[in-house]
Amino acid sequence: EDQVTQSPEALRLQEGESSSLNCSYTVSGLRGLFWYRQDPGKGPEFLFTLYSAGEEKEKERLKATLTKKESFLHITAPKPEDSATYLCAVQEKKGGGNKLTFGTGTQLKVEL
Amino acid sequence: SQTIHQWPATLVQPVGSPLSLECTVEGTSNPNLYWYRQAAGRGLQLLFYSVGIGQISSEVPQNLSASRPQDRQFILSSKKLLLSDSGFYLCAWSVVRTGRVWYEQYFGPGTRLTVT
Repeated sequence: EDQVTQSPEALRLQEGESSSLNCSYTVSGLRGLFWYRQDPGKGPEFLFTLYSAGEEKEKERLKATLTKKESFLHITAPKPEDSATYLCAVQEKKGGGNKLTFGTGTQLKVEL
Repeated sequence: SQTIHQWPATLVQPVGSPLSLECTVEGTSNPNLYWYRQAAGRGLQLLFYSVGIGQISSEVPQNLSASRPQDRQFILSSKKLLLSDSGFYLCAWSVVRTGRVWYEQYFGPGTRLTVT
């Protein structure tokens, strides 16, 4: 069974203080790893898809990387508007349907 | 561009009452559709997914059912709600493209259900 573990559960940063969020996963064959951002009371917003180890994707202050066992979401010089819960999910190579297994997320708070 | 709608946005229902949540997608054809539930402090739990009209797969045995009467419409139902059905319900869609399978899912705004 797929397992996705995110750490830390919560992270507090000062504006401009760069850091990384971790997503470790256990799957028999990774089809894709996905990062989402979720604001309170809203649906998750898609950020990135990573398909193979060594792949990197960037968007504004966010950069996602992937190894064979984990993914990192690097946040460079964060701003208060980056405050949200960041979710990762994995898609396994088996069966039909596009079934994702989600982690419980990292709640990020960026303060002035 | 594609958009996904869910309604209602919030719902308070007594135990034992029926439930119907609706999700519609615009701007795409033959999407895969999904229902998730998100409980406080827990990850998203996949409840149902559908790859076409009338085709429903259930992931978790429960008090809920799903139907897909039209290509871009997905409905989550219950005949009698339980307290444990409370949560944040999210609908999502994804598309399969010829030559490559895209798996990212795009989520709707969600429905907050409170069973009292």
